[in-house]
Amino acid sequence: QKEVEQDPGPLSVPEGAIVSLNCTYSNSAFQYFMWYRQYSRKGPELLMYTYSSGNKEDGRFTAQVDKSSKYISLFIRDSQPSDSATYLCAMTLRGKLIFGQGTELSVKP
Amino acid sequence: GAVVSQHPSWVICKSGTSVKIECRSLDFQATTMFWYRQFPKQSLMLMATSNEGSKATYEQGVEKDKFLINHASLTLSTLTVTSAHPEDSSFYICSATADRQETQYFGPGTRLLVL
Repeated sequence: QKEVEQDPGPLSVPEGAIVSLNCTYSNSAFQYFMWYRQYSRKGPELLMYTYSSGNKEDGRFTAQVDKSSKYISLFIRDSQPSDSATYLCAMTLRGKLIFGQGTELSVKP
Repeated sequence: GAVVSQHPSWVICKSGTSVKIECRSLDFQATTMFWYRQFPKQSLMLMATSNEGSKATYEQGVEKDKFLINHASLTLSTLTVTSAHPEDSSFYICSATADRQETQYFGPGTRLLVL
């Protein structure tokens, strides 16, 4: 079993839809939880970063962490074609990032 | 803020040659830099962690003599792929963190093609 599990998709939604991206993890020692967005042939870009259970909002993005269930989510409201990318969840353990497999998202106009 | 650059963005080389990739933190001092490789449709795989002024720590299965890492200053780390072979063709990405920070900021990546 991988330490971080993420549905690879691909996920295709119409413009304006609410997108829900999810990851589960097995190691309760993970300290920080992040979401990265990666466009094709580019490096990952940090979207959200949190360390406690609960919700954190930034514009159209909301990151949710549930440590008791070992589950994190990223919600994208009013999705746009420019949101089409691969989304990677990541967690830190002793300074190292452990990534999920990434979910490929396509937002159709 | 927190911009990381990589050079070159892509490189094509012949089998047997060595290739050097530079990673720079442009607007902060990076006490720690990380090197990853990524194959198509796969996630990032950590190759090594380097701290300024000390030897890099390599992940299991990564050949330290093949992937030479130098972190000579707080803003520059280099990865040299020695005697490159076609199986080394990949997307190499660096990241950097500032002192006591958990957030890693990634460079744009370097695409290496070995013929």
